[in-house]
Amino acid sequence: EAGVAQSPRYKIIEKRQSVAFWCNPISGHATLYWYQQILGQGPKLLIQFQNNGVVDDSQLPKDRFSAERLKGVDSTLKIQPAKLEDSAVYLCASSLMGQNTEAFFGQGTRLTVV
Amino acid sequence: QQPVQSPQAVILREGEDAVINCSSSKALYSVHWYRQKHGEAPVFLMILLKGGEQKGHDKISASFNEKKQQSSLYLTASQLSYSGTYFCGTEPDSSYKLIFGSGTRLLVRP
Repeated sequence: EAGVAQSPRYKIIEKRQSVAFWCNPISGHATLYWYQQILGQGPKLLIQFQNNGVVDDSQLPKDRFSAERLKGVDSTLKIQPAKLEDSAVYLCASSLMGQNTEAFFGQGTRLTVV
Repeated sequence: QQPVQSPQAVILREGEDAVINCSSSKALYSVHWYRQKHGEAPVFLMILLKGGEQKGHDKISASFNEKKQQSSLYLTASQLSYSGTYFCGTEPDSSYKLIFGSGTRLLVRP
């Protein structure tokens, strides 16, 4: 079974630039999560999709972050414009149903904003 | 809303036992446990559902006290491969959100 795919693995940008991350979840998984993990901290939930719909985006800084999940499969997370404090690993995870099911994580995208 | 984990860090000798705790102020539907090694993605260990069940996975087991909204992860006869950061993830009642604690760093030495 193929795992959760993310790209790129690494990205370095200057502050005020924009960046986009891509995630392809495990086939058939209805739930998709985007987490931000700052060095030394636990993953922070940014947004959670159930199929096409957003379940929760209360922690997403909507003035600069946006995310979409087209056709309930792939997802992109965008930051525009980036700030220094956005430097982190962005993890995508997916699960079969959401509640009460294991979440599978991708390798993440390490973003450095300089 | 973020669960609280304790201790923040543990150092063990190979073969020793450890307990990691996770507590929440919210009523919980379930608790997940994950382990993350440096530079890698979190890997699922187990899920515990409301009902106070206890689960085991090799020499790693966990319990969930629904009344106290607490879960504990038990690592028995630790191995070098157990080193990493352990995160609990909680699903509040009536919510599909999976929210993680700040983690417990575990180092097992020979």
